[in-house]
Amino acid sequence: SQTIHQWPATLVQPVGSPLSLECTVEGTSNPNLYWYRQAAGRGLQLLFYSIGIDQISSEVPQNLSASRPQDRQFILSSKKLLLSDSGFYLCAWSARGRRGGAFFGQGTRLTVV
Amino acid sequence: AQTVTQSQPEMSVQEAETVTLSCTYDTSESDYYLFWYKQPPSRQMILVIRQEAYKQQNATENRFSVNFQKAAKSFSLKISDSQLGDAAMYFCAYRSPDAQKLVFGQGTRLTINP
Repeated sequence: SQTIHQWPATLVQPVGSPLSLECTVEGTSNPNLYWYRQAAGRGLQLLFYSIGIDQISSEVPQNLSASRPQDRQFILSSKKLLLSDSGFYLCAWSARGRRGGAFFGQGTRLTVV
Repeated sequence: AQTVTQSQPEMSVQEAETVTLSCTYDTSESDYYLFWYKQPPSRQMILVIRQEAYKQQNATENRFSVNFQKAAKSFSLKISDSQLGDAAMYFCAYRSPDAQKLVFGQGTRLTINP
């Protein structure tokens, strides 16, 4: 069966520090991968999605970047965090070309102080 | 660009009664997929139900059903016999088959009153 791992679960970082959130999918190949951010009590904002290695689309211009070094690994990064980067970050995957929905990791609660 | 709108930030319903959550979307595509997700206080996203645009029959999963109106670009979720465990944020989502994007609405917070 397929599983998705996202870590860390909680992170407190000072303003101006770098960020690296990692997401790994097991049990499938060539997945679509997604990063979302959710502000408290709000909806999910799509940040990046990827349909393959070196195929990453950015949805919102911002202080963040994404990379996909391996087929089932998706990394969200920042060189210098801002206070406004605080939030709940969710990684998700979906099967390429299939009709199903996406499946989500447990999320990372990021607090920038 | 595809957008998804949930016009009800909050809804409440008495336990055992029926509630309907609204969702509208904007797209120029003819083939796509729609979903409802549930996010309980644990914040884990749970897929509740899905609908394929080319299917006219409304999807049903136990107490959850949808009313899919393609021409109106409307996709509402009906929860029958509401239970306390149904209390959560509910998100409507749109997926384009070609671009593989998955876009969410702003969510509706559902409260179940005992």
